[in-house]
Amino acid sequence: DGGITQSPKYLFRKEGQNVTLSCEQNLNHDAMYWYRQDPGQGLRLIYYSQIVNDFQKGDIAEGYSVSREKKESFPLTVTSAQKNPTAFYLCASGNGQPQHFGDGTRLSIL
Amino acid sequence: GIQVEQSPPDLILQEGANSTLRCNFSDSVNNLQWFHQNPWGQLINLFYIPSGTKQNGRLSATTVATERYSLLYISSSQTTDSGVYFCAGGDSSYKLIFGSGTRLLVRP
Repeated sequence: DGGITQSPKYLFRKEGQNVTLSCEQNLNHDAMYWYRQDPGQGLRLIYYSQIVNDFQKGDIAEGYSVSREKKESFPLTVTSAQKNPTAFYLCASGNGQPQHFGDGTRLSIL
Repeated sequence: GIQVEQSPPDLILQEGANSTLRCNFSDSVNNLQWFHQNPWGQLINLFYIPSGTKQNGRLSATTVATERYSLLYISSSQTTDSGVYFCAGGDSSYKLIFGSGTRLLVRP
């Protein structure tokens, strides 16, 4: 099946720990995106990548890092510098618009 | 940057009722999407509609780009329509700005 796969669905982070969220797509899309959603709010853009080996900061990039070594993959690392990481993280991909979304990863702090 | 305002913030309907959700933009957008987020958090594409009118079953959407707003119509609502409806738009092909959503509850 074609689509966007995010893993894991649930993730727990200890204080001072970096964690990496996986996003894989087999839709042959050039662009990939990471969004953060806090309870009761809309999505905010963290990072996006239009082509392999290139990415740009979104509106809330501080405390996060990404890589884009392959067209299919766009992992997001939540670093210890992100002081409030508890949120729902959604990955998306597209060739321009529209964007298509994965099922998300819920990150919580232990 | 572009601001996106959605109304109403909350909506309760009796099953079978019709409703209209509105999305206003502070500036011109050249891409616009409507999404439904179900109770499990999945974000489902409803419409890509930078201008004009589209229909898909009981749902339809209209965007008036010159007046910077879009409307989502839900007819004959069902309990499975419950969830949060988001609109999102942007002035580039690669960025979407999301509104805060309309939370819809359809009662049986």
